[in-house]
Amino acid sequence: DTGVSQNPRHKITKRGQNVTFRCDPISEHNRLYWYRQTLGQGPEFLTYFQNEAQLEKSRLLSDRFSAERPKGSFSTLEIQRTEQGDSAMYLCASSLIPPLRDRGRPGTEAFFGQGTRLTVV
Amino acid sequence: GNSVTQMEGPVTLSEEAFLTINCTYTATGYPSLFWYVQYPGEGLQLLLKATKADDKGSNKGFEATYRKETTSFHLEKGSVQVSDSAVYFCALTPDTGGFKTIFGAGTRLFVKA
Repeated sequence: DTGVSQNPRHKITKRGQNVTFRCDPISEHNRLYWYRQTLGQGPEFLTYFQNEAQLEKSRLLSDRFSAERPKGSFSTLEIQRTEQGDSAMYLCASSLIPPLRDRGRPGTEAFFGQGTRLTVV
Repeated sequence: GNSVTQMEGPVTLSEEAFLTINCTYTATGYPSLFWYVQYPGEGLQLLLKATKADDKGSNKGFEATYRKETTSFHLEKGSVQVSDSAVYFCALTPDTGGFKTIFGAGTRLFVKA
């Protein structure tokens, strides 16, 4: 399977515990994105990486959230001291953004993983 | 800023009915436009895309045309099936900045046999 892979698929945790999710993007993709989706809503952007550099973080990403992509391949999203409001589906996506000099009309479509559903009890 | 607005659901249709889900966007420049589909308990799958004005994206009988004059990208299908029941998201990526995808709130489609 060469798509975006996320683990675990489901996580139930007690309030106050820390959780970590992993995302393995499509291998040649240089961009990796994290989104959060709550019930009945569209995905909301959290953060993205260009290779190993974290280039943007949403205001939704509180201090309890941290994301890394240490070698420019897989990424982890950690939530510390979880709260019930953190319960959501966490989606990872990857895309290939060409260098500026080659950027004509890129498709820029993101390919999504199946998500990690977090339930905080 | 950049945003996407799509019609509220749920939309309930009988099998073989015609489907339209409206989507309009706000963006500077020339964004790329997408429709994604999400089946229950699953992640998002790209359904179709269009990267410039007047382009028509199509896949699995679904179509959408990039209309810059009306800033719209409505999704259509001539004859829906029960298996099309899902949530449909209209989305865009701006042609500048982070290229992050911006989504509408989604439209749930129920197709009855």
